[in-house]
Amino acid sequence: DAKTTQPTSMDCAEGRAANLPCNHSTISGNEYVYWYRQIHSQGPQYIIHGLKNNETNEMASLIITEDRKSSTLILPHATLRDTAVYYCIVLDSWGKLQFGAGTQVVVTP
Amino acid sequence: GAVVSQHPSRVICKSGTSVKIECRSLDFQATTMFWYRQFPKQSLMLMATSNEGSKATYEQGVEKDKFLINHASLTLSTLTVTSAHPEDSSFYICSARRDEETQYFGPGTRLLVL
Repeated sequence: DAKTTQPTSMDCAEGRAANLPCNHSTISGNEYVYWYRQIHSQGPQYIIHGLKNNETNEMASLIITEDRKSSTLILPHATLRDTAVYYCIVLDSWGKLQFGAGTQVVVTP
Repeated sequence: GAVVSQHPSRVICKSGTSVKIECRSLDFQATTMFWYRQFPKQSLMLMATSNEGSKATYEQGVEKDKFLINHASLTLSTLTVTSAHPEDSSFYICSARRDEETQYFGPGTRLLVL
């Protein structure tokens, strides 16, 4: 099963773009990359997912490298409400989401 | 995105009693539902997967006789913590998925066993 590696934490200034990296060097050709976030004491919230092309929705953009070994989640204009733990996940071989430690993002005024 | 609800949002019970948590997909039919547990300052741990009308599949180390899961319809799954003890106190979160589509999570249920 493909594992992901993310930085433990990162700070971001309010109003600036937040770029969250994720390494998934063992990903296979048909595996999607999913991003979720968890605000304190809430259930995880789906953000975006992608296979090989870059994706954008109302919440974020997902940039996947051509070799698919890494990706970057971009929050274009971070707000204080974006403070959360962000998880980059590749489904396991049974199609299940297994959560790692994620990246604690703190947006500061 | 799709909406998943849980009830109750928090529950306090005495040691030795059983607690049932409901998970509902409100605007879609969930062929598969998942149950996770999260202890303080830790990540989510998958407990079990349930498909509508069939028995749940439990992750390694999760006691199936202690955590009873029922997925009787395409919009409802229940988790019953039987004979709860203080070490079962945790944040329980369900998620739901239609076919192979995106998984959506409920708001979680905080269980405190005294």
